[in-house]
Amino acid sequence: EAQVTQNPRYLITVTGKKLTVTCSQNMNHEYMSWYRQDPGLGLRQIYYSMNVEVTDKGDVPEGYKVSRKEKRNFPLILESPSPNQTSLYFCASRSLLVDEQFFGPGTRLTVL
Amino acid sequence: GQQVMQIPQYQHVQEGEDFTTYCNSSTTLSNIQWYKQRPGGHPVFLIQLVKSGEVKKQKRLTFQFGEAKKNSSLHITATQTTDVGTYFCASLKTSYDKVIFGPGTSLSVIP
Repeated sequence: EAQVTQNPRYLITVTGKKLTVTCSQNMNHEYMSWYRQDPGLGLRQIYYSMNVEVTDKGDVPEGYKVSRKEKRNFPLILESPSPNQTSLYFCASRSLLVDEQFFGPGTRLTVL
Repeated sequence: GQQVMQIPQYQHVQEGEDFTTYCNSSTTLSNIQWYKQRPGGHPVFLIQLVKSGEVKKQKRLTFQFGEAKKNSSLHITATQTTDVGTYFCASLKTSYDKVIFGPGTSLSVIP
């Protein structure tokens, strides 16, 4: 089944404790992206990647890192999480030939 | 920077009534996409519009892209409880890498 998977789905952590949210897709998509969703603000793009070893900042990249060492994986790294990073995070992917994005199930992160 | 606004923020309708959400931008958009997110779910792609004045239909859903490519609308005829969710418009920047989402319209349908 074609899908985007994220892990973990839920995470409660404390300020300053490094964490990684994994994202994987099995559709051989070149483009992958991370979004955060907050009430009243919709989805805001954090980082995106057009292909392996190519990453770029979205609208809200501060406090986040990403890497794209393999085509299928696009982990989101929070080196020193803060409470304002409490949010619902979505990973998405798409082919460069088609603009339709496929979203993962989401990761709900709480930073205390 | 480019911003995409949506109105209304919330809409409550009786089942069977029509529903419309509007997406507006101060700058010309190269394209517009619409997504639906069910409560507790993830966004699901509905459609993309590219041409000025374009109109597309999917069963009870009608999507329009304005002539000036600065606004778009999604109209649902005779809403059903399965239409409940948040509807987002989004636009890919001309280089087709960055994506800007509107804040969404949350639709509730009263049976």
